[in-house]
Amino acid sequence: AQSVTQLGSHVSVSEGALVLLRCNYSSSVPPYLFWYVQYPNQGLQLLLKYTTGATLVKGINGFEAEFKKSETSFHLTKPSAHMSDAAEYFCAVSDTGNQFYFGTGTSLTVIP
Amino acid sequence: NAGVTQTPKFQVLKTGQSMTLQCAQDMNHNSMYWYRQDPGMGLRLIYYSASEGTTDKGEVPNGYNVSRLNKREFSLRLESAAPSQTSVYFCASSGLWAQGQPQHFGDGTRLSIL
Repeated sequence: AQSVTQLGSHVSVSEGALVLLRCNYSSSVPPYLFWYVQYPNQGLQLLLKYTTGATLVKGINGFEAEFKKSETSFHLTKPSAHMSDAAEYFCAVSDTGNQFYFGTGTSLTVIP
Repeated sequence: NAGVTQTPKFQVLKTGQSMTLQCAQDMNHNSMYWYRQDPGMGLRLIYYSASEGTTDKGEVPNGYNVSRLNKREFSLRLESAAPSQTSVYFCASSGLWAQGQPQHFGDGTRLSIL
């Protein structure tokens, strides 16, 4: 089975600062990788995904992530944090078993 | 386009009561999933259905049953609710894995068991 590790259950950044949320996965085969965002009292919304091709993936709301196979990482970044980015972020991996494996989430706080 | 619809949104039960959580998707997806979300534990898979007519256990299936009623609907049943099942339950669906299709989530059912 896959495992997904999100370093830092809570991350705080100042408004306008760089956002970096870390995700590492274990996989013996090339996986599909996803980042989701969850706002309070809502379901998860897809931010971006990596399937094949270009390793730098751009998503909604100015977020992007880079797939690094050698580091088994898929870190999420945004150059300049906005107050509306405050939310819970989940990294997920899917494999050949048609299942999705989620990290435990990172809560992002944006300080004005 | 409604996506994934879950009912009810909130429910309070007494220990030992039973209830069924409903989920329907209108995206013609083959696969459907039930998760529970608890603080600090992320999403844990309860059951999933890779296609109509099949269901499989996930990480935490004990105390739950599921029914894939048709391609659109996937229900989760608690036969005898316990306080440990207090959680937020999410239903999700996805298209073909081979195409890297992501999951689409409902807004959740917030369940409290007293």
